[in-house]
Amino acid sequence: DTEVTQTPKHLVMGMTNKKSLKCEQHMGHRAMYWYKQKAKKPPELMFVYSYEKLSINESVPSRFSPECPNSSLLNLHLHALQPEDSALYLCASSQTGYNEQFFGPGTRLTVL
Amino acid sequence: AQSVAQPEDQVNVAEGNPLTVKCTYSVSGNPYLFWYVQYPNRGLQFLLKYITGDNLVKGSYGFEAEFNKSQTSFHLKKPSALVSDSALYFCAVRDTGNTGKLIFGQGTTLQVKP
Repeated sequence: DTEVTQTPKHLVMGMTNKKSLKCEQHMGHRAMYWYKQKAKKPPELMFVYSYEKLSINESVPSRFSPECPNSSLLNLHLHALQPEDSALYLCASSQTGYNEQFFGPGTRLTVL
Repeated sequence: AQSVAQPEDQVNVAEGNPLTVKCTYSVSGNPYLFWYVQYPNRGLQFLLKYITGDNLVKGSYGFEAEFNKSQTSFHLKKPSALVSDSALYFCAVRDTGNTGKLIFGQGTTLQVKP
């Protein structure tokens, strides 16, 4: 299985809602990543987990809260988001930090 | 600091013609270089990488890239473009350390016309 899956595909939420994004991989990869991408721009790194420990937080606002329950699963908890947080949220994984990353299809988030 | 530049916002090529998408980099130490492609409303797909070894790297879908250390370039090439190659292409370099952080270029839109 060489796939990274993400759910949901689309999410619309109000500024007071709490929601979660889910990412899963079964390639045995030990590094997992969350990115935010605006249209026609490169992905912006948000968080990196290495061996289930948070290794990078790119000064992301606390309204985004990552969680890595096990080596195959990565969540991104969302609370009190702003309209400017609307974007495509991509999850990726790699064997280690030295290897190529494999990306999921993304969750298209709209904050009203 | 590591950086990547893709000097062209858009590249237009006729189907069947060769294509080149340019990328230059600036790194301290040996570069780990990657090319990714993104189709509309999709995630990024890995095309190829250069870590060490042969300067000509072959990847998925008939793409290849040439690593040139003296010119600090890693241009993506394909001998014969297809309309289905039309997409957004990103060059990336791995940041220093072992965190796996990628530094992306701004992206180049490839338009292949029939």
